[in-house]
Amino acid sequence: EAQVTQNPRYLITVTGKKLTVTCSQNMNHEYMSWYRQDPGLGLRQIYYSMNVEVTDKGDVPEGYKVSRKEKRNFPLILESPSPNQTSLYFCASSLGPGRGSQHFGDGTRLSIL
Amino acid sequence: DAKTTQPPSMDCAEGRAANLPCNHSTISGNEYVYWYRQIHSQGPQYIIHGLKNNETNEMASLIITEDRKSSTLILPHATLRDTAVYYCIVRAANSGYALNFGKGTSLLVTP
Repeated sequence: EAQVTQNPRYLITVTGKKLTVTCSQNMNHEYMSWYRQDPGLGLRQIYYSMNVEVTDKGDVPEGYKVSRKEKRNFPLILESPSPNQTSLYFCASSLGPGRGSQHFGDGTRLSIL
Repeated sequence: DAKTTQPPSMDCAEGRAANLPCNHSTISGNEYVYWYRQIHSQGPQYIIHGLKNNETNEMASLIITEDRKSSTLILPHATLRDTAVYYCIVRAANSGYALNFGKGTSLLVTP
């Protein structure tokens, strides 16, 4: 089954404790991206990747890092999480940035205390 | 990408057709109309997209006006599980990288 898998689905942690949210897709998609969703602000893109070893900033990249060492994986790293990064996060993938539909993961709800 | 305007909310009775409008009066010739939906706090789900012609798939139909300035997503027989926020997005095939979801239309399907 074609899917985008995120882990963990839920996480409560404290300020400053490094965390990584993993994202994996099994569709051999070149393009992957991370969004965060906040009430009243909708979905905003954090980072995206056109292919392996190619990443770029989206609209709200501050406080986040990503890597794309393999085509299928695109982890989101919070080196020093802060309460304003409490949000619902989605990973997405597609053949290309404008090619066809984007497939989204089920989301990761992060709470930073 | 062109801006879209959707009503904030709509109701539909179960079993009836749900017709969700979207205005995109500034759409360019190379821009497609995409529809996604998001069921409460789940990941957005692709529904359908089109350029000029009407499109139909197993989930929905997309009707695009001849001048392409507006479109309608039709769910032919709405069920309670179709209750979701529906997003109309206009973008060129190879432009930009982020999907601009906007605020969408919150569709409530009632028994």
